[in-house]
Amino acid sequence: KAGVTQTPRYLIKTRGQQVTLSCSPISGHRSVSWYQQTPGQGLQFLFEYFSETQRNKGNFPGRFSGRQFSNSRSEMNVSTLELGDSALYLCASSPGTGGLEGYEQYFGPGTRLTVT
Amino acid sequence: LAKTTQPISMDSYEGQEVNITCSHNNIATNDYITWYQQFPSQGPRFIIQGYKTKVTNEVASLFIPADRKSSTLSLPRVSLSDTAVYYCLVGGGTKAAGNKLTFGGGTRVLVKP
Repeated sequence: KAGVTQTPRYLIKTRGQQVTLSCSPISGHRSVSWYQQTPGQGLQFLFEYFSETQRNKGNFPGRFSGRQFSNSRSEMNVSTLELGDSALYLCASSPGTGGLEGYEQYFGPGTRLTVT
Repeated sequence: LAKTTQPISMDSYEGQEVNITCSHNNIATNDYITWYQQFPSQGPRFIIQGYKTKVTNEVASLFIPADRKSSTLSLPRVSLSDTAVYYCLVGGGTKAAGNKLTFGGGTRVLVKP
C-alpha cells in the first residue's frame, strides 16, 4: 500500500496570504489528522476528520481550518498567515474508528511552510 | 490524557542497548502506551504499543511494570540510523479518545560510532 502523501512538500508564503495544504491518506483509511510541528512548541494537534466531519479539534485559532472529501483526502487551510505559522505541517491517517487504533497513526512526510 | 515525562536526551554507542523510561503516574485504566520515532524533517513512525507486562516486535521491546506508572522502551543493539527523537504517548483504548495524539517533548537519542 502507498503511504500517506502530502503536497506540496515545501512552500514559501508572505505574511497575510493564505495557504492550502493537501493530504492523501493510506487507501482504506477514513481518519485524517493534522499536526503542526515547530522547534518551540513541538508537535501539536490541529484537527481530525472522519467521514468528511471534523471529529476532534486542537487549540488553534479559527484561521486554521480543514475539510475532508468523500474519498478521504483532506486539505487544511491557513488564512492571513503570520510569521509564527512557519512550521512543518504533518498529516496522519488511521482506519479511524477511534480508540486504540487511533494511536497507531501513519504520518506523511509533511509540508514545510515558511512565512516571510 | 495522561501526562508523560521522559528524559530530554540520551547518548549511546553503536551495538549497545538503549533503554528510555517514560513516567505516566496518572495513567487511566483504559490507556495504552505507545512509542513513536521521528527523524528530522519526517513524520513520526509508530514503533510499539502495549498495555501491561512486556511486548516485543522486530525493532523494540516495551516493558510495563504491574502498576503501569512507567514504561521502558528498549532498543537492542542500536546503530547510527537509530539516532532520532522518541516519543512516549499514553491514551487511547476507548473510542472516546478519538484520534488525537498528544506528544510530549520526546527523548533525543544520539548514537555515536
